[in-house]
Amino acid sequence: DAKTTQPNSMESNEEEPVHLPCNHSTISGTDYIHWYRQLPSQGPEYVIHGLTSNVNNRMASLAIAEDRKSSTLILHRATLRDAAVYYCILRGGNKLVFGAGTILRVKS
Amino acid sequence: DTGVSQDPRHKITKRGQNVTFRCDPISEHNRLYWYRQTLGQGPEFLTYFQNEAQLEKSRLLSDRFSAERPKGSFSTLEIQRTEQGDSAMYLCASSLSAGENTEAFFGQGTRLTVV
Repeated sequence: DAKTTQPNSMESNEEEPVHLPCNHSTISGTDYIHWYRQLPSQGPEYVIHGLTSNVNNRMASLAIAEDRKSSTLILHRATLRDAAVYYCILRGGNKLVFGAGTILRVKS
Repeated sequence: DTGVSQDPRHKITKRGQNVTFRCDPISEHNRLYWYRQTLGQGPEFLTYFQNEAQLEKSRLLSDRFSAERPKGSFSTLEIQRTEQGDSAMYLCASSLSAGENTEAFFGQGTRLTVV
């Protein structure tokens, strides 16, 4: 499974946008980029995924670099409820392979 | 349907005892996954089922671990002769199909403490 690299932690102010980066230089042409998040004491929760084009949904936006070697999850207005661990995952097979993720802290 | 359900939510057991966890996936989801998560780490894949067939097992899944999904619906994960190193959160997830373009839905997990 191809590897992703994320910062260990990030901090944001409430009501401001957050850009969570992910590097995946060994991505293959068929790997989908998935993002999940895990709130304290909860199981992981799907956020968004994409292949080549940028994607938007009610939770977030996913910006994918043209060479697909990096991507950015964008939370448009962070709230305290967005404080969680965010995982960037390359899915090219039958399972999700999680890394350590980025701990997002949101300050009020 | 209220999502993926896991039971129990918490389990404390003495070293050497056997424990069994249950997972009820979302109805009609043919894929079911088990993961293990220790503090500060991301979830680690253990095994998955396509309907009742167990198609992949991680090397993390020692001989003391066994998982079943007898009728392609709920699944059980049993740990025999528990060790302190088995203390972790055990997560179950389900999805509609095997493709890379699908999302998985996770339960809230079973937290196991071996004393």
